[in-house]
Amino acid sequence: NAGVTQTPKFRILKIGQSMTLQCTQDMNHNYMYWYRQDPGMGLKLIYYSVGAGITDKGEVPNGYNVSRSTTEDFPLRLELAAPSQTSVYFCASSSKRFVGTAVSQPQHFGDGTRLSIL
Amino acid sequence: DQQVKQNSPSLSVQEGRISILNCDYTNSMFDYFLWYKKYPAEGPTFLISISSIKDKNEDGRFTVFLNKSAKHLSLHIVPSQPGDSAVYFCAASTAYAGKSTFGDGTTLTVKP
Repeated sequence: NAGVTQTPKFRILKIGQSMTLQCTQDMNHNYMYWYRQDPGMGLKLIYYSVGAGITDKGEVPNGYNVSRSTTEDFPLRLELAAPSQTSVYFCASSSKRFVGTAVSQPQHFGDGTRLSIL
Repeated sequence: DQQVKQNSPSLSVQEGRISILNCDYTNSMFDYFLWYKKYPAEGPTFLISISSIKDKNEDGRFTVFLNKSAKHLSLHIVPSQPGDSAVYFCAASTAYAGKSTFGDGTTLTVKP
């Protein structure tokens, strides 16, 4: 069971280039997420999706785009890469479970893509 | 405005002793809280969680305590082991949001 798979693991881009970070999960989870983690900081949500065809912005969406055409895949697109987008990017997925009236959604993370923009 | 805060960037404890990691939140709508553990070059992994209807949840060496009036939760690890050395993230979610808000993490070092 692969869980959440991210490709590539490392990438160096030049300023102004574009690229797509790939994410796929095999757990049939409805929810998928993209985060970035800057050094010494926590995870900042870029975009998330509650199901195929539905996406929404997180805390830091500027400079990124996403699509969710299937349950399994949630690619993140960087257009016109900038040095401020140098970071480690994590993709995650979860299913929605109710615990009493609360929603329990432990997320399963990929191992990240380390992206440098020079 | 950071809604989930982990005020201690790092913590160092001796093997066998207790590790206590703290987390504060400001949004009273949060009703589910999670702790994740992260090793270098890996993604975070889910460790333990607690619903707002409880004040304590235990799983082996790991216990999470929730104090809703103080908007504070803590993770206790007893006894601490060198393999527990990692970054620990606190996260919080609300019933209607399909997402969690993360703290900045606490790096735990357990010395042999």
